[in-house]
Amino acid sequence: DVVMTQSPLSLPVTLGQPASISCRSSQSLVYSDGNTYLNWFQQRPGQSPRRLIYKVSNCDSGVPDRFSGSGSGTDFTLKISRVEAEDVGVYYCMQGTHWPPSFGQGTKLEIK
Amino acid sequence: QVQLVESGGGVVQPGRSLRLSCAASGFNFSNYGMHWVRQAPGKGPEWVAVIWYDGSNKYYADSVKGRFTISRDNSKNTLYLQMNSLRAEDTAVYYCTRAHPRIRDLDYWGQGTLVTVSS
Repeated sequence: DVVMTQSPLSLPVTLGQPASISCRSSQSLVYSDGNTYLNWFQQRPGQSPRRLIYKVSNCDSGVPDRFSGSGSGTDFTLKISRVEAEDVGVYYCMQGTHWPPSFGQGTKLEIK
Repeated sequence: QVQLVESGGGVVQPGRSLRLSCAASGFNFSNYGMHWVRQAPGKGPEWVAVIWYDGSNKYYADSVKGRFTISRDNSKNTLYLQMNSLRAEDTAVYYCTRAHPRIRDLDYWGQGTLVTVSS
């Protein structure tokens, strides 16, 4: 199975400052159709996960443009350009290229 | 708007069975693959199973293979998860999720239903 490794696991950030979360996979996430099935999810306290980004860098509808995704192969990054209070929660990367789909351990973002 | 509403969770003894349901609305259910994902208390999500839009393909996590069965009734816009031989380690919130734009992309998640396996 593909192992997804996130860092850091805890991310204290000052309001208005940028934040970056890394996600590495144990195998390349490029699928035979040429797509890379790497998603990012946000889980606010007490809520279900919400997808922010799919296929590495595509933002879902309604997601603030301060969120962006990048990367290729086995190394991926979620960036928040200016952290706001509503961004507090746990962020997960997830790969769908290889069965079974697998999630990272999660990165807990908190306000400093 | 897309809505996924899970039901059927509860407290069950080890070795017993439970069936979860997920009622879908706000989209053409029969056109989408669907997944079940679970999250144990204080842990990250764990993928459980997937079913193609027409039920033609199903895949399971090794941890539930042979015990859980995913199915769907497109006439009722409902996804199911039949869980047999439940174990303590199956305790989790179970979410149904829609696959979009491809079967390998999970977008909308329901609010989840809690399954607790305990004697």
